[in-house]
Amino acid sequence: EVQLVESGGGLVQPGGSLRVSCAASGFTFSSYWMRWVRQAPGKGLEWVANIREDGREKYYVDSVKGRFTISRDNAKNSLYLQMNSLRAEDTAVYYCAREVKGVTYYDSNGYHYYYAMDVWGQGTRVTVSS
Amino acid sequence: EIVMTQSPATLSVSPGERATLSCRASQSISSNLAWYQQKPGQAPRLLIYGASTRATGIPARFSGSGSGTDFTLTISSLQSEDFAVYYCQQYNNWPMYTFGQGTKLEIK
Repeated sequence: EVQLVESGGGLVQPGGSLRVSCAASGFTFSSYWMRWVRQAPGKGLEWVANIREDGREKYYVDSVKGRFTISRDNAKNSLYLQMNSLRAEDTAVYYCAREVKGVTYYDSNGYHYYYAMDVWGQGTRVTVSS
Repeated sequence: EIVMTQSPATLSVSPGERATLSCRASQSISSNLAWYQQKPGQAPRLLIYGASTRATGIPARFSGSGSGTDFTLTISSLQSEDFAVYYCQQYNNWPMYTFGQGTKLEIK
């Protein structure tokens, strides 16, 4: 069964640090880009960060740049999000998700791709509060 | 940044009826749009990608349409399990994603 299981959430004080993890199983983890998406209480979804299959390319939403670091260990089939200098507005459920990519069509401009997050974990709750 | 706006915020529909949810992008995103369903206490679930292609295992009563800036998710005959929150998400400026604020589909 294809599965993602997050862990490591909890209560942390403002300015503190926390690392959340995501354990993957049932698929070849090293063949996929992976993402973190968060959801503040009662709010919508927000993409946080993503990482290439080999870990050498990473991207972040502006609000977490310089504070959060995404990483992965393909030998352990695991994805991580190190969160430093945490703020109250970082309070959310953090989901990891697998990203798939495929060819939509080909034209004179080359290949056009689709991207989608097809497998999600159950989420881990992070609360930043004093 | 591409801003995604969904309407209405809440939609009340009776079981068996059709539901039409809208999503608008602040600039053209071609067909680079996905739809997700989220039920209370659960993770989101992929429904549609490429604006109109159903993901694996998604029933045929779900359909997506549109391109450019205006998109629609239609659920042809609502089942009890379809009442949830629906999010659109653009990937036109991949690797950055942005989501709409969501439409809550509730039982009338």
